[in-house]
Amino acid sequence: QVTLRESGPALVKPTQTLTLTCTFSGFSLSTSGMCVSWIRQPPGKALEWLALIDWDDDKYYSTSLKTRLTISKDTSKNQVVLTMTNMDPVDTATYYCARIPAAGYYFDYWGQGTLVTVSS
Amino acid sequence: DIVMTQSPGSLAVSLGERATINCKSSQSVLYISNNKNYLAWYQQKPRQPPKLLIYWASTRESGVPDRFSGSGSGTDFTLTISSLQAEDVAVYYCQHYFSTPWTFGQGTKLEIK
Repeated sequence: QVTLRESGPALVKPTQTLTLTCTFSGFSLSTSGMCVSWIRQPPGKALEWLALIDWDDDKYYSTSLKTRLTISKDTSKNQVVLTMTNMDPVDTATYYCARIPAAGYYFDYWGQGTLVTVSS
Repeated sequence: DIVMTQSPGSLAVSLGERATINCKSSQSVLYISNNKNYLAWYQQKPRQPPKLLIYWASTRESGVPDRFSGSGSGTDFTLTISSLQAEDVAVYYCQHYFSTPWTFGQGTKLEIK
């Protein structure tokens, strides 16, 4: 079955760079049409899409955050990595990774999320 | 960016009654060449990740109860729960995937009256 799991630091300091890893199983990111995306959710607030990487290594980013985000994949390890530079307290959120199936750009499987707090 | 606006922000419905949540996009998410609306609905219960309910505006994800239905086209969409159950208490989000960047609505909190 399809599973995704996010990992990374629970606490980062302002101005630091955040690196999150999504480790998945049950599908291959080398399959045509398959994608993995990152979405975040500040406490008590709405979902915000961040970035996406597809099977062909094409990458897409949030308009407002694209200068701070980098997404990459390691197909052999079944991992997708997101880095976000210059972290700020407003970036405190639960960060989710999610799969996008070949059929369409909706998110059919989600990880449980990882809470990242930005504080000095 | 396409802006997704949901209404109402919160909703209280009696058990067994109908619940209706609306979602409006700032531009059409209907792709003319395939006549598909690039719109999905998610349910998020407390301390859980979102769960996909509906995609292509009206296609129910496998395993989702048939009391959940999606409708609409172009810029106006609706998620309907035909007979509210206690386990449907959650926040519901719409999301477009017509073009990058993908965006979500601000969410609708559904409670029992």
